[in-house]
Amino acid sequence: QKEVEQNSGPLSVPEGAIASLNCTYSDRGSQSFFWYRQYSGKSPELIMFIYSNGDKEDGRFTAQLNKASQYVSLLIRDSQPSDSATYLCAVNDNYGQNFVFGPGTRLSVLP
Amino acid sequence: NAGVTQTPKFQVLKTGQSMTLQCAQDMNHNSMYWYRQDPGMGLRLIYYSASEGTTDKGEVPNGYNVSRLNKREFSLRLESAAPSQTSVYFCASQGPNTGELFFGEGSRLTVL
Repeated sequence: QKEVEQNSGPLSVPEGAIASLNCTYSDRGSQSFFWYRQYSGKSPELIMFIYSNGDKEDGRFTAQLNKASQYVSLLIRDSQPSDSATYLCAVNDNYGQNFVFGPGTRLSVLP
Repeated sequence: NAGVTQTPKFQVLKTGQSMTLQCAQDMNHNSMYWYRQDPGMGLRLIYYSASEGTTDKGEVPNGYNVSRLNKREFSLRLESAAPSQTSVYFCASQGPNTGELFFGEGSRLTVL
């Protein structure tokens, strides 16, 4: 059984701080990694994807991947109250159709 | 360009009733998916379709059937609804370049 684990939270950070969201996965064959944001009552929307080891930055968001440790993280700099949501980590295998989602981490950014 | 459209958005059923959730995408994607989302359990794959005319079971297929009617449409049918099928259902299609999933707005189903 392929598994993706996340701390369910809630993770509370003050406005302007860095929020760090972590995810571990069990399948060493995983090739692509995604972070989705989901507001309460809404559908998931893509924040970032990463395929290679290392860091990938997009605005206030940085995804970090370490395949040897089977670990992927999302950093949110200068956190805003509008970042308060549940963040879902998803991993996919080489064939592209076996997405496995983590349970999500609920982030709360306090004004 | 509407993306992924699901209907209905809300539905209440009695145990044993049947219903079909409809999904359509206008992005010309080959792969489409049906997920259910329950509190604390994340998104779990029910069925997926890699292309028109093909469907495959996911993690939790029992109690469901699907039809890939054409490239645009992928429907999910509950033949005899059970309270355990109370959930939020999401349809998604997969972009060919990045592999990301594009989700519909979701269908909230309650089975009494």
